Amino acid sequence: DAGVTQSPTHLIKTRGQHVTLRCSPISGHKSVSWYQQVLGQGPQFIFQYYEKEERGRGNFPDRFSARQFPNYSSELNVNALLLGDSALYLCASSGPGQGAVQPQHFGDGTRLSIL
Amino acid sequence: RKEVEQDPGPFNVPEGATVAFNCTYSNSASQSFFWYRQDCRKEPKLLMSVYSSGNEDGRFTAQLNRASQYISLLIRDSKLSDSATYLCVVSRGGTASKLTFGTGTRLQVTL
Repeated sequence: DAGVTQSPTHLIKTRGQHVTLRCSPISGHKSVSWYQQVLGQGPQFIFQYYEKEERGRGNFPDRFSARQFPNYSSELNVNALLLGDSALYLCASSGPGQGAVQPQHFGDGTRLSIL
Repeated sequence: RKEVEQDPGPFNVPEGATVAFNCTYSNSASQSFFWYRQDCRKEPKLLMSVYSSGNEDGRFTAQLNRASQYISLLIRDSKLSDSATYLCVVSRGGTASKLTFGTGTRLQVTL
């Protein structure tokens, strides 16, 4: 079975641009979460979606937005990119169900570099 | 104070050694606990869930002390392939089951 898939793998953008990152969860998983990991730190929670509804939001500015589609795939959008947005963006899925007892499984991530 | 605190290391140990990592968490409402392993420039991978009764998976043993808000991971008979960063992770559960990660503890196993 395919794991969590993310695209693109790598991305280079310049300040002020916007970016869309994509994620497909493991088949049967209805919950998708997004995390940002900067070098030397653990991943930081950005959003969680379950059944197409936002269930949680981390401490990130409004430049960050996301959505989940009927097939449970998800997009993360970041507007007005800043140098500090350079990071590994990780998508994780869990399920079935939405409880925390379900461990989350991560995709390979999208490495975003801002010039 | 960070919600999940870990010693960043690095821990340099010889092959065959036993090594223990500790982690503390500040939110007493936390309900679920995990150890993830992350190789350099790769995604985190679930190593094991952590239960109050303690649990073991081969050479790996995890313990949880809810009263002290303390989690541990013991690795016995270390292998070169165990070299990685080990992330302590907690979750409050419920409808917003976000994971809160520590900064990770780096382990380097040497010959």
